[in-house]
Amino acid sequence: TQLLEQSPQFLSIQEGENLTVYCNSSSVFSSLQWYRQEPGEGPVLLVTVVTGGEVKKLKRLTFQFGDARKDSSLHITAAQPGDTGLYLCAGAGNQFYFGTGTSLTVIP
Amino acid sequence: GAGVSQSPRYKVAKRGQDVALRCDPISGHVSLFWYQQALGQGPEFLTYFQNEAQLDKSGLPSDRFFAERPEGSVSTLKIQRTQQEDSAVYLCASSLVGLGFYEQYFGPGTRLTVT
Repeated sequence: TQLLEQSPQFLSIQEGENLTVYCNSSSVFSSLQWYRQEPGEGPVLLVTVVTGGEVKKLKRLTFQFGDARKDSSLHITAAQPGDTGLYLCAGAGNQFYFGTGTSLTVIP
Repeated sequence: GAGVSQSPRYKVAKRGQDVALRCDPISGHVSLFWYQQALGQGPEFLTYFQNEAQLDKSGLPSDRFFAERPEGSVSTLKIQRTQQEDSAVYLCASSLVGLGFYEQYFGPGTRLTVT
């Protein structure tokens, strides 16, 4: 059972466009992480957010943790082909719960 | 190498066969996790070890799945009498400490295909 729903499930955009990926749950998490996974590899951590309302920026990526610590968003500015991959949110509770995933394709 | 390694990378098994998947975590990492990932989906938690102790196995889908980490380092996930629904990528991750906001380092996974 995956407690975290991500939207959209698939996203195909042109290079230079902006996009936002959402991660929603009815459960509260002590922390939330975002990972990126490329084909044939394991997920790689991008960021961890801990405090409700927290915003973190990583170059062109902006991550936000909801005030109630139930949801999060990832915004990418001026997407590049190298951003292509499967984006996963993951929440820490009694276990580590991964989201359903968002497959992003950036077309040159 | 410094990362998490898994072997084999690919495994094809006939239905009913037993398989064993190996995970070598990063040296010194206390926690080890196993996940099952269907194509294009997020990983689903299977089980979690802290050193040699299996603290949570609630995600194992059936009693055909068994995991061990006898010396608190290498771990093996065993699947008995494989079924077609067991086909997936099995990911292993290790972490310096336990659950929470500590980074998990993932291996490349073992892709299991049951025919």
